[in-house]
Amino acid sequence: GAVVSQHPSRVICKSGTSVKIECRSLDFQATTMFWYRQFPKQSLMLMATSNEGSKATYEQGVEKDKFLINHASLTLSTLTVTSAHPEDSSFYICSARGLGGGKLFFGSGTQLSVL
Amino acid sequence: AQSVAQPEDQVNVAEGNPLTVKCTYSVSGNPYLFWYVQYPNRGLQFLLKYITGDNLVKGSYGFEAEFNKSQTSFHLKKPSALVSDSALYFCDVMGRRALTFGSGTRLQVQP
Repeated sequence: GAVVSQHPSRVICKSGTSVKIECRSLDFQATTMFWYRQFPKQSLMLMATSNEGSKATYEQGVEKDKFLINHASLTLSTLTVTSAHPEDSSFYICSARGLGGGKLFFGSGTQLSVL
Repeated sequence: AQSVAQPEDQVNVAEGNPLTVKCTYSVSGNPYLFWYVQYPNRGLQFLLKYITGDNLVKGSYGFEAEFNKSQTSFHLKKPSALVSDSALYFCDVMGRRALTFGSGTRLQVQP
């Protein structure tokens, strides 16, 4: 079945540095990918919709300059947390929807800890 | 505007009782509807989907969901809840314009 690979699974960084998270669709082309943030024991919060070859669509309240999204190919979307601060520490998850409006396939998530 | 709503943040049910997790939506065109589950400390998993056909769809782990076009709902159900069903459940709706998740509902099944 379709697989979405998310890397890294865990990252610890210093405050003020930037962190890049990759989301790859391994055996299918994903024109649309989604990025979510999840706090402990809470629901997923959709951050943005990443569209191949165009700008991402950000949800209200999500800072575009803080969370840079690039979807340069049909199999790769990246989320860069710029100038990370401790309040950015969270679990980030990506997903990709298969062609034809199929079900979502999820990455395994990235636990970001900013010291 | 398109939207999807899970009106309950948490649902509590006793083991053995039937459970319902609600989802309503507003989209243009015919929607594709999905349910996903997130067990504690695990990734999200696909449960079931409705594209066309029979309004009652059956999925994994004994779950089923009923598509109700007139009420624009896609409630998740299970006849007899298990403690192991305790998890976060997300409703996902795909309309003409890409739309995704409800806010999630935490299901707690008490022994």
